[in-house]
Amino acid sequence: DVQMTQSPSNLAASPGESVSINCKASKSISKYLAWYQQKPGKANKLLIYSGSTLQSGTPSRFSGSGSGTDFTLTIRNLEPEDFGLYYCQQHNEYPYTFGAGTKLELK
Amino acid sequence: EVQLVESGGGLVQPGRSLKLSCAASGFTFSNYYMAWVRQAPKKGLEWVATISTSGSRTYYPDSVKGRFTISRDNAKSSLYLQMNSLKSEDTATYYCASVGVLWYFDFWGPGTMVTVSS
Repeated sequence: DVQMTQSPSNLAASPGESVSINCKASKSISKYLAWYQQKPGKANKLLIYSGSTLQSGTPSRFSGSGSGTDFTLTIRNLEPEDFGLYYCQQHNEYPYTFGAGTKLELK
Repeated sequence: EVQLVESGGGLVQPGRSLKLSCAASGFTFSNYYMAWVRQAPKKGLEWVATISTSGSRTYYPDSVKGRFTISRDNAKSSLYLQMNSLKSEDTATYYCASVGVLWYFDFWGPGTMVTVSS
Protein backbone atom coordinates (compact mmCIF):
# COMPACT_ATOMS: atom_id res chain seq x y z
CA ASP A 1 0.00 0.00 0.00
CA VAL A 2 1.11 3.57 -0.64
CA GLN A 3 1.80 5.36 2.64
CA MET A 4 0.99 9.07 2.70
CA THR A 5 2.92 11.25 5.15
CA GLN A 6 1.49 14.67 5.77
CA SER A 7 3.28 17.57 7.47
CA PRO A 8 2.97 19.49 9.61
CA SER A 9 0.33 17.89 11.83
CA ASN A 10 -0.64 21.26 13.20
CA LEU A 11 -0.27 24.74 11.79
CA ALA A 12 -1.24 28.09 13.30
CA ALA A 13 -1.67 31.16 11.11
CA SER A 14 -3.53 34.46 10.93
CA PRO A 15 -6.01 35.67 8.30
CA GLY A 16 -4.16 37.19 5.36
CA GLU A 17 -1.11 34.96 5.74
CA SER A 18 -0.04 32.18 3.40
CA VAL A 19 0.54 28.58 4.48
CA SER A 20 1.78 25.37 2.91
CA ILE A 21 0.94 21.76 3.75
CA ASN A 22 3.10 18.94 2.48
CA CYS A 23 2.26 15.39 1.52
CA LYS A 24 4.81 12.70 0.71
CA ALA A 25 3.98 9.36 -0.87
CA SER A 26 5.99 6.21 -0.14
CA LYS A 27 6.31 5.60 -3.88
CA SER A 28 5.53 7.51 -7.03
CA ILE A 29 1.86 8.27 -7.57
CA SER A 30 2.45 10.31 -10.73
CA LYS A 31 0.23 13.40 -10.42
CA TYR A 32 -2.70 11.69 -8.69
CA LEU A 33 -3.01 13.48 -5.38
CA ALA A 34 -6.18 15.03 -4.00
CA TRP A 35 -6.69 17.50 -1.16
CA TYR A 36 -9.77 17.70 1.05
CA GLN A 37 -11.00 20.11 3.68
CA GLN A 38 -12.89 18.88 6.72
CA LYS A 39 -14.86 21.19 9.03
CA PRO A 40 -17.24 20.35 11.88
CA GLY A 41 -20.85 20.16 10.81
CA LYS A 42 -20.01 20.32 7.10
CA ALA A 43 -19.52 17.68 4.46
CA ASN A 44 -15.92 16.99 3.51
CA LYS A 45 -14.96 19.09 0.53
CA LEU A 46 -12.73 18.15 -2.38
CA LEU A 47 -10.42 21.09 -3.09
CA ILE A 48 -7.88 19.83 -5.61
CA TYR A 49 -7.29 16.65 -7.59
CA SER A 50 -4.57 15.38 -9.90
CA GLY A 51 -2.08 17.39 -7.92
CA SER A 52 -3.03 20.84 -9.16
CA THR A 53 -6.51 20.85 -10.71
CA LEU A 54 -8.95 22.95 -8.72
CA GLN A 55 -12.35 21.36 -8.16
CA SER A 56 -15.20 23.54 -9.35
CA GLY A 57 -15.98 26.08 -6.64
CA THR A 58 -12.55 25.99 -4.97
CA PRO A 59 -11.29 29.56 -4.48
CA SER A 60 -8.22 30.55 -6.48
CA ARG A 61 -6.25 31.26 -3.27
CA PHE A 62 -5.84 27.48 -3.05
CA SER A 63 -3.19 25.88 -5.21
CA GLY A 64 -1.57 22.47 -5.46
CA SER A 65 1.78 21.45 -6.82
CA GLY A 66 4.03 18.44 -7.08
CA SER A 67 4.34 15.09 -8.79
CA GLY A 68 5.91 11.74 -8.13
CA THR A 69 6.22 11.53 -4.34
CA ASP A 70 6.17 15.13 -3.11
CA PHE A 71 3.16 17.43 -3.13
CA THR A 72 2.20 20.75 -1.57
CA LEU A 73 -1.08 22.51 -0.87
CA THR A 74 -0.67 26.28 -0.59
CA ILE A 75 -3.32 28.64 0.68
CA ARG A 76 -2.62 32.31 0.04
CA ASN A 77 -4.25 35.20 1.85
CA LEU A 78 -6.02 33.01 4.41
CA GLU A 79 -9.69 33.68 4.99
CA PRO A 80 -11.47 32.89 8.30
CA GLU A 81 -13.38 30.03 6.64
CA ASP A 82 -10.12 28.27 5.69
CA PHE A 83 -9.36 27.09 9.21
CA GLY A 84 -10.00 23.38 9.70
CA LEU A 85 -8.53 20.00 8.87
CA TYR A 86 -6.84 19.15 5.58
CA TYR A 87 -6.19 15.68 4.20
CA CYS A 88 -4.28 14.47 1.19
CA GLN A 89 -5.23 11.28 -0.65
CA GLN A 90 -3.52 9.38 -3.42
CA HIS A 91 -5.91 8.41 -6.21
CA ASN A 92 -3.36 6.56 -8.32
CA GLU A 93 -3.92 2.98 -7.18
CA TYR A 94 -5.93 0.72 -4.89
CA PRO A 95 -6.11 0.80 -1.96
CA TYR A 96 -6.64 4.55 -1.99
CA THR A 97 -4.87 5.99 1.04
CA PHE A 98 -5.01 9.24 2.96
CA GLY A 99 -2.54 11.28 4.94
CA ALA A 100 -3.07 11.64 8.69
CA GLY A 101 -4.28 15.22 8.35
CA THR A 102 -3.13 18.75 9.11
CA LYS A 103 -5.04 20.94 11.52
CA LEU A 104 -4.93 24.59 10.44
CA GLU A 105 -5.72 26.76 13.43
CA LEU A 106 -6.18 30.44 14.02
CA LYS A 107 -3.11 32.02 15.62
CA GLU B 1 -27.38 20.34 -5.80
CA VAL B 2 -25.70 17.02 -5.02
CA GLN B 3 -26.97 15.48 -1.80
CA LEU B 4 -25.79 12.30 -0.13
CA VAL B 5 -27.44 11.28 3.12
CA GLU B 6 -26.30 8.25 5.08
CA SER B 7 -28.41 6.28 7.55
CA GLY B 8 -28.37 3.06 9.49
CA GLY B 9 -25.58 3.72 11.97
CA GLY B 10 -25.84 2.86 15.64
CA LEU B 11 -24.51 0.73 18.45
CA VAL B 12 -23.85 -2.92 17.62
CA GLN B 13 -22.13 -5.75 19.48
CA PRO B 14 -18.88 -7.27 18.23
CA GLY B 15 -19.47 -10.09 15.77
CA ARG B 16 -22.88 -8.78 14.72
CA SER B 17 -23.97 -7.19 11.44
CA LEU B 18 -25.20 -3.79 10.34
CA LYS B 19 -26.32 -2.36 7.01
CA LEU B 20 -25.76 1.27 6.08
CA SER B 21 -27.68 3.14 3.41
CA CYS B 22 -26.98 6.28 1.43
CA ALA B 23 -29.68 8.18 -0.43
CA ALA B 24 -28.41 10.21 -3.37
CA SER B 25 -30.03 13.09 -5.20
CA GLY B 26 -29.13 16.02 -7.42
CA PHE B 27 -27.15 14.02 -9.96
CA THR B 28 -27.53 10.99 -12.23
CA PHE B 29 -26.62 8.35 -9.66
CA SER B 30 -26.37 5.50 -12.16
CA ASN B 31 -23.55 7.28 -14.01
CA TYR B 32 -21.19 7.42 -11.05
CA TYR B 33 -18.96 5.00 -9.24
CA MET B 34 -19.68 5.32 -5.52
CA ALA B 35 -17.68 4.66 -2.38
CA TRP B 36 -17.66 4.42 1.39
CA VAL B 37 -14.95 6.09 3.45
CA ARG B 38 -14.72 5.91 7.23
CA GLN B 39 -13.12 7.88 10.02
CA ALA B 40 -12.46 6.42 13.47
CA PRO B 41 -12.88 8.87 16.37
CA LYS B 42 -10.06 11.45 16.36
CA LYS B 43 -8.37 9.59 13.50
CA GLY B 44 -7.86 10.10 9.79
CA LEU B 45 -9.85 8.95 6.78
CA GLU B 46 -9.82 5.38 5.49
CA TRP B 47 -11.26 4.19 2.17
CA VAL B 48 -13.60 1.22 2.74
CA ALA B 49 -15.21 0.23 -0.57
CA THR B 50 -15.93 1.31 -4.15
CA ILE B 51 -18.57 0.04 -6.57
CA SER B 52 -18.89 0.48 -10.32
CA THR B 53 -21.86 2.12 -12.03
CA SER B 54 -23.63 -1.18 -12.69
CA GLY B 55 -22.55 -2.79 -9.46
CA SER B 56 -20.69 -5.54 -11.28
CA ARG B 57 -17.30 -4.52 -9.92
CA THR B 58 -16.43 -3.90 -6.30
CA TYR B 59 -13.18 -3.01 -4.57
CA TYR B 60 -12.12 -3.26 -0.90
CA PRO B 61 -9.00 -2.81 1.19
CA ASP B 62 -7.73 -5.87 3.05
CA SER B 63 -9.03 -4.48 6.37
CA VAL B 64 -12.66 -5.15 5.40
CA LYS B 65 -12.44 -7.62 2.50
CA GLY B 66 -14.62 -10.65 3.14
CA ARG B 67 -16.60 -8.89 5.88
CA PHE B 68 -18.08 -5.84 4.14
CA THR B 69 -20.16 -5.79 0.95
CA ILE B 70 -20.95 -2.67 -1.04
CA SER B 71 -24.02 -2.67 -3.28
CA ARG B 72 -26.30 -0.24 -5.03
CA ASP B 73 -29.83 0.13 -6.37
CA ASN B 74 -29.76 2.55 -9.30
CA ALA B 75 -33.56 2.61 -9.54
CA LYS B 76 -33.66 3.98 -6.00
CA SER B 77 -30.47 6.09 -6.26
CA SER B 78 -29.23 4.30 -3.20
CA LEU B 79 -25.92 2.91 -2.01
CA TYR B 80 -25.49 0.30 0.70
CA LEU B 81 -22.79 -1.16 2.90
CA GLN B 82 -23.43 -4.53 4.53
CA MET B 83 -21.02 -4.96 7.43
CA ASN B 84 -20.64 -8.43 8.95
CA SER B 85 -18.46 -9.80 11.75
CA LEU B 86 -18.02 -6.32 13.13
CA LYS B 87 -14.99 -5.56 15.29
CA SER B 88 -14.30 -2.76 17.75
CA GLU B 89 -11.86 -1.28 15.23
CA ASP B 90 -14.76 -0.77 12.80
CA THR B 91 -16.07 1.95 15.12
CA ALA B 92 -16.14 5.07 12.97
CA THR B 93 -18.19 7.62 11.13
CA TYR B 94 -19.01 6.17 7.72
CA TYR B 95 -19.25 8.54 4.77
CA CYS B 96 -20.87 7.90 1.44
CA ALA B 97 -19.02 9.59 -1.45
CA SER B 98 -19.30 9.88 -5.20
CA VAL B 99 -16.20 8.95 -7.18
CA GLY B 100 -14.80 11.34 -9.76
CA VAL B 101 -13.50 10.25 -13.16
CA LEU B 102 -9.97 9.96 -11.78
CA TRP B 103 -10.92 8.10 -8.61
CA TYR B 104 -10.98 10.98 -6.15
CA PHE B 105 -14.04 11.52 -3.94
CA ASP B 106 -15.85 14.56 -5.22
CA PHE B 107 -18.97 14.78 -3.06
CA TRP B 108 -19.51 13.50 0.47
CA GLY B 109 -22.40 12.93 2.80
CA PRO B 110 -22.42 14.11 6.42
CA GLY B 111 -21.75 10.60 7.68
CA THR B 112 -23.38 8.08 10.01
CA MET B 113 -21.74 6.88 13.21
CA VAL B 114 -21.19 3.18 13.89
CA THR B 115 -20.12 2.06 17.36
CA VAL B 116 -19.07 -1.55 17.86
CA SER B 117 -19.08 -2.35 21.55
CA SER B 118 -20.48 -4.88 23.99
